[in-house]
Amino acid sequence: DTAVSQTPKYLVTQMGNDKSIKCEQNLGHDTMYWYKQDSKKFLKIMFSYNNKELIINETVPNRFSPKSPDKAHLNLHINSLELGDSAVYFCASSQGGLGSNQPQHFGDGTRLSIL
Amino acid sequence: GNSVTQMEGPVTLSEEAFLTINCTYTATGYPSLFWYVQYPGEGLQLLLKATKADDKGSNKGFEATYRKETTSFHLEKGSVQVSDSAVYFCALGNFNKFYFGSGTKLNVKP
Repeated sequence: DTAVSQTPKYLVTQMGNDKSIKCEQNLGHDTMYWYKQDSKKFLKIMFSYNNKELIINETVPNRFSPKSPDKAHLNLHINSLELGDSAVYFCASSQGGLGSNQPQHFGDGTRLSIL
Repeated sequence: GNSVTQMEGPVTLSEEAFLTINCTYTATGYPSLFWYVQYPGEGLQLLLKATKADDKGSNKGFEATYRKETTSFHLEKGSVQVSDSAVYFCALGNFNKFYFGSGTKLNVKP
């Protein structure tokens, strides 16, 4: 069974469109994350939710809006897509709240390409 | 603040060679340290971890020791295989916020 699953795996769309990426984890973890990985493999955290509440919101354009309907899901909606949004987006989850420092489990990534 | 610095790649080795990928960190408090591996087209997978000073994490022949005095967590493997070719990320976890290094690509040639 996939622990952290995100869909779609590939997303090709045109500039200006709005798209969503879904993420679900079946590990019973309390905390979920979204990361952006650029073409040079640099990994940057975007958001973190703990029990459906936003706890980390890095400097990310407000075109990106996370939504957590329950603690097993953290979706990412992106408005007015731009060329610079092309990247691989990873969802991750971990157990425990602040201070636990438990390892993260990652999904396989969503490869977003903007035409 | 918290940050992770790891050696730039790519690192190219022949099969059965010894591997070291350097990682140093700065942190407040008592962070946990991790190594993750990313195979082509896949997400990151936890390789090993250490939660306190002098702990040694190990998995699949890889090892790393949490050295507080040198603020380091270098990854080592005695004999690499072609299947170890991947990108390796050093990471620091502190108050449920994670800081990743820039990744080091390892190429192992037969």
